[in-house]
Amino acid sequence: GAVVSQHPSWVICKSGTSVKIECRSLDFQATTMFWYRQFPKQSLMLMATSNEGSKATYEQGVEKDKFLINHASLTLSTLTVTSAHPEDSSFYICSAYYLEQFFGPGTRLTVL
Amino acid sequence: QKEVEQDPGPLSVPEGAIVSLNCTYSNSAFQYFMWYRQYSRKGPELLMYTYSSGNKEDGRFTAQVDKSSKYISLFIRDSQPSDSATYLCAMTFNQAGTALIFGKGTTLSVSS
Repeated sequence: GAVVSQHPSWVICKSGTSVKIECRSLDFQATTMFWYRQFPKQSLMLMATSNEGSKATYEQGVEKDKFLINHASLTLSTLTVTSAHPEDSSFYICSAYYLEQFFGPGTRLTVL
Repeated sequence: QKEVEQDPGPLSVPEGAIVSLNCTYSNSAFQYFMWYRQYSRKGPELLMYTYSSGNKEDGRFTAQVDKSSKYISLFIRDSQPSDSATYLCAMTFNQAGTALIFGKGTTLSVSS
């Protein structure tokens, strides 16, 4: 089956720093990638939709200047959490679409 | 009222039991319905995908959709300890290439 990877799998950072999370489709080209956030015991909440070569579409309430998304190629999308704060601590999951959505393993971000 | 409601459980059953997991939704525009399984600290993996009312069977899993009642179910027959995970229902308006709206997930534990 199609594989989506995320890097890093977990990261701890200090408040005020920026963190970049990579999402790669390893064996297929994805026209669209999605970024979700999941808090403990909560559902996956869509943050943004990313299409290669164009600006990401953010969901209401998601700050586009804080969560920078770059979709440089059909196999790579990155999410940068800028000036991270403890409330940004969460599980970030990407998915890549090719006939269906394939999810990455997630990145656990802890901001101290 | 949230768009997708799902009882978070936890649900504990003995090995071999039949498990019933359910979601209700409020928006009749949802057309595509999915069930995902998520192990702890991992990304979701697709179990079942349906787009019409009725039943769809795949091995020990049966997905049921009742659009008139806005109600979907996942049945697991002969449950195994390896089925212990969180099960998320998800739905979308147009096709699998659009963003998914998830339920909160039901945590299932199958004891041997």
